Amino acid sequence: GAVVSQHPSWVICKSGTSVKIECRSLDFQATTMFWYRQFPKQSLMLMATSNEGSKATYEQGVEKDKFLINHASLTLSTLTVTSAHPEDSSFYICSARRGTRPYEQYFGPGTRLTVT
Amino acid sequence: RKEVEQDPGPFNVPEGATVAFNCTYSNSASQSFFWYRQDCRKEPKLLMSVYSSGNEDGRFTAQLNRASQYISLLIRDSKLSDSATYLCVVTKNTGNQFYFGTGTSLTVIP
Repeated sequence: GAVVSQHPSWVICKSGTSVKIECRSLDFQATTMFWYRQFPKQSLMLMATSNEGSKATYEQGVEKDKFLINHASLTLSTLTVTSAHPEDSSFYICSARRGTRPYEQYFGPGTRLTVT
Repeated sequence: RKEVEQDPGPFNVPEGATVAFNCTYSNSASQSFFWYRQDCRKEPKLLMSVYSSGNEDGRFTAQLNRASQYISLLIRDSKLSDSATYLCVVTKNTGNQFYFGTGTSLTVIP
């Protein structure tokens, strides 16, 4: 099967610091990865599309200078939450697309971020 | 208006019951449709794709009505293990970005 990992699985940081979250496709190459955010009792909200070797595409309302995305290789995308604030506390989930079919999108286990 | 709308529930049903979830989407250009299942604090997992012709996988049946922009999921003979949140997903554009509904919570009661 297709496996996607995320690191760290949970992180607590102080307000004002930056946090980097890694998303890796372990057994396939992914030219496209996606980043989502999920607040308690809400659904996943697409934040951005990460394309290997090019700039990420952000959804409306998502600050690209606050959520820095880097997709440096075919198996790794990183999301950096800069100058984190308590309202950034959320569950961040990445997914990686294998192949070209829509259903071939595999989700990582998520990273729970708590900003104090 | 949200891309995808679902009744959040919760749905509490006894074992063996049949339960149906509905979902509507706003963009008529939406291309692909799925039902995902998400357990508490876990990542979503694909349950099934949804086609206009309807598709069935064991106790699960999904249906798409493009004219009404409506998707449904039917679960027959509910099991305790079916308890989860069911997420309706649509994609649009060639980028295949997924847009999730808010999810419908199901609890199957012994």
